[in-house]
Amino acid sequence: GDSVTQMEGPVTLSEEAFLTINCTYTATGYPSLFWYVQYPGEGLQLLLKATKADDKGSNKGFEATYRKETTSFHLEKGSVQVSDSAVYFCALRDSSASKIIFGSGTRLSIRP
Amino acid sequence: EAEVAQSPRYKITEKSQAVAFWCDPISGHATLYWYRQILGQGPELLVQFQDESVVDDSQLPKDRFSAERLKGVDSTLKIQPAELGDSAMYLCASSFSTTGEKLFFGSGTQLSVL
Repeated sequence: GDSVTQMEGPVTLSEEAFLTINCTYTATGYPSLFWYVQYPGEGLQLLLKATKADDKGSNKGFEATYRKETTSFHLEKGSVQVSDSAVYFCALRDSSASKIIFGSGTRLSIRP
Repeated sequence: EAEVAQSPRYKITEKSQAVAFWCDPISGHATLYWYRQILGQGPELLVQFQDESVVDDSQLPKDRFSAERLKGVDSTLKIQPAELGDSAMYLCASSFSTTGEKLFFGSGTQLSVL
């Protein structure tokens, strides 16, 4: 079945460091890919998405590119801030299904 | 911005008791989802509604879990009897349609079964 694998955390970085959180997927067809973020005490919210190969999703300084050849959707940010501390979930929606499948999440902590 | 409302925020119960969670999606959202999130894991879909109809309940443990959305608006998820392994965060989400790519999540109900 469809699945999402993302790098285990926690990830701890200093402010202004470069961030990469790896995500790979297994799916039939051509899924849509997402990154959701969960800030402390809040519900999950959509951070960015990409619906087809080579699309780049971006929001709040974060970017991720849909790479079909490597079945990956890695999340990147050039300079992280303390306010980026949260849990990040990679997810997919298969083209033939309506449900969204989530990865296990990566906890990110940013030191001032 | 409109939000998905869930209650209660926390629930502590003893095993073999019945528990119920309530969710009110964003107005106009036809699709409603119940997810279970075990600590350290990603959300797992339990049941998905399109209006009042169940679209997917393949991962719902139907011997003890039930879900309804009678008027196609708010929804209730029930567990009877609760087991120790049911301790988790129960998340409700909604979207405009089944193909809606943006899910809006509530803050969840944290269930502890003792």
